[in-house]
Amino acid sequence: KAGVTQTPRYLIKTRGQQVTLSCSPISGHRSVSWYQQTPGQGLQFLFEYFSETQRNKGNFPGRFSGRQFSNSRSEMNVSTLELGDSALYLCASSLALAGVINEQYFGPGTRLTVT
Amino acid sequence: TQLLEQSPQFLSIQEGENLTVYCNSSSVFSSLQWYRQEPGEGPVLLVTVVTGGEVKKLKRLTFQFGDARKDSSLHITAAQPGDTGLYLCAGVTDSNYQLIWGAGTKLIIKP
Repeated sequence: KAGVTQTPRYLIKTRGQQVTLSCSPISGHRSVSWYQQTPGQGLQFLFEYFSETQRNKGNFPGRFSGRQFSNSRSEMNVSTLELGDSALYLCASSLALAGVINEQYFGPGTRLTVT
Repeated sequence: TQLLEQSPQFLSIQEGENLTVYCNSSSVFSSLQWYRQEPGEGPVLLVTVVTGGEVKKLKRLTFQFGDARKDSSLHITAAQPGDTGLYLCAGVTDSNYQLIWGAGTKLIIKP
């Protein structure tokens, strides 16, 4: 079974620009979560999508948004990029079936550098 | 706000030594997961512990879930350079299955 894939793997953007990151979950997984990872803040939860609906949301500004498509693929968008947005963005998928432990399967991440 | 505190934040030891990483909270979790992350990759799930007092072994790694389901530990016996990485614990809440993440323990095993 193919793992979680994320594109692109590396990205360099300029302050003020916007960026869209893509995530394809493991086949059959209905939940996709997005995380921001930085050396100083660790792994920070951005949001989770389940059946095309945002189910949980972390404490990030509205510049960070996402969506999920009917095939469970997900995208996240960051508008008006700031230097502090430089981070590794990780996507994780899970089965998210009722009564099943929410084990996360991560992609390799997208390394975003804002200059 | 639910918090999960991991300690130590950083550990550098020689090959062959033993070590323990701790994950503590004042909150009760329905289960707790341990992940390992290597540079340039996403975290990989190592184990999930569900029952209070549960002990799981994965080769030289021993995971324990506290009786009250508020804390967990990871013990590595005879550490090897291949154990190097960032170890993360994540607690699963009862309410909405959201994961609460620890800040991680960066482990370096020197040959």
